Amino acid sequence: DVKVTQSSRYLVKRTGEKVFLECVQDMDHENMFWYRQDPGLGLRLIYFSYDVKMKEKGDIPEGYSVSREKKERFSLILESASTNQTSMYLCASSFPGYGYTFGSGTRLTVV
Amino acid sequence: QKEVEQDPGPLSVPEGAIVSLNCTYSNSAFQYFMWYRQYSRKGPELLMYTYSSGNKEDGRFTAQVDKSSKYISLFIRDSQPSDSATYLCAMYSSGNTPLVFGKGTRLSVIA
Repeated sequence: DVKVTQSSRYLVKRTGEKVFLECVQDMDHENMFWYRQDPGLGLRLIYFSYDVKMKEKGDIPEGYSVSREKKERFSLILESASTNQTSMYLCASSFPGYGYTFGSGTRLTVV
Repeated sequence: QKEVEQDPGPLSVPEGAIVSLNCTYSNSAFQYFMWYRQYSRKGPELLMYTYSSGNKEDGRFTAQVDKSSKYISLFIRDSQPSDSATYLCAMYSSGNTPLVFGKGTRLSVIA
């Protein structure tokens, strides 16, 4: 089974800190995605990547950046964490035109 | 008008009932339709994947697409308490465009 692994299940960070969320997939998928999920708002796409060193903005990229130096790894960076970035963050990967495989999520709390 | 509309519920049914979950959409270019199931504190998992109009069956689950009405459905027969989860519809048009998700419907199956 394809696996998408997110480095942390729970994370607590202080306002203003730089935060790194790591995601690794083991099935050679070209596509990788970062979402945040909030009650009542559903899944919102932050950034995605279709290839190494390539990135595209999603619907809510403000306050975030990403890095994809290797095909299997896609990192989400919160440049200066704020309390409104407290959320569940989900990483996903896929082959083009196929369904996504999601990680278990990272619940980030910014205090 | 949002691209994908999904009633958030919650929907509560007795064990053994037939469950109907629905989404409507506005973009007539959507051709690929999926249903994901998400248990509490987990990432979504792909349940069903259909192309264009028609039905697809997998065990107790049936996915139905009516492109003329821009309406998709997921039916669960003989529902079980283990089916209690949030169900998200998702769709995309073609090529490598990201999925567009509904906000999810929360389902509880009561024993």
